[in-house]
Amino acid sequence: QQQVKQSPQSLIVQKGGISIINCAYENTAFDYFPWYQQFPGKGPALLIAIRPDVSEKKEGRFTISFNKSAKQFSLHIMDSQPGDSATYFCAASKETSGSRLTFGEGTQLTVNP
Amino acid sequence: GAGVSQSPRYKVAKRGQDVALRCDPISGHVSLFWYQQALGQGPEFLTYFQNEAQLDKSGLPSDRFFAERPEGSVSTLKIQRTQQEDSAVYLCASSPGTLGTQYFGPGTRLTVL
Repeated sequence: QQQVKQSPQSLIVQKGGISIINCAYENTAFDYFPWYQQFPGKGPALLIAIRPDVSEKKEGRFTISFNKSAKQFSLHIMDSQPGDSATYFCAASKETSGSRLTFGEGTQLTVNP
Repeated sequence: GAGVSQSPRYKVAKRGQDVALRCDPISGHVSLFWYQQALGQGPEFLTYFQNEAQLDKSGLPSDRFFAERPEGSVSTLKIQRTQQEDSAVYLCASSPGTLGTQYFGPGTRLTVL
């Protein structure tokens, strides 16, 4: 059972453009929604995270938008740069139950110079 | 300070061999997680430790998989009688408390021939 669905599978954006990655979840008990960035040969690294008591969180060029009623959340990368080229994973967890993360399938982002 | 380290980084095993994968979490981190990442997929939860106690092992795919963290620090994931479907990257993550950010290691890439 895929509890977190992520789209698109791959994304190509021009330098300076906006990258948008979407995720949908099924389990309404989830209460923590992080985004991770992974480069080849490396482990995932936390980019930004949100909890359902807010609808948007911004950190630098990265913004999470959260829609609790639709059970959807998205990552926006403004002014995308070639160095942002990586695989991005959304995830969700129930923090009161040991914080195990359920990941989406991943989006391979390529930012062309 | 040092991040999460894992060893070996690469492991090739013949089908039927036993393997042991090591994780050194960030010093003082209470929580430790193991995930399995198949090629082109998001990480999938295997097991969770809070200090030395294994609180959740529901993600272990079979009784061939065993994990321990005897002193609440270093952890070892052991796979007995490896099969080809065990080929994956095994990621370890640690967290300072029982909630919040998980910091991932670089992973161990296991290839079973």
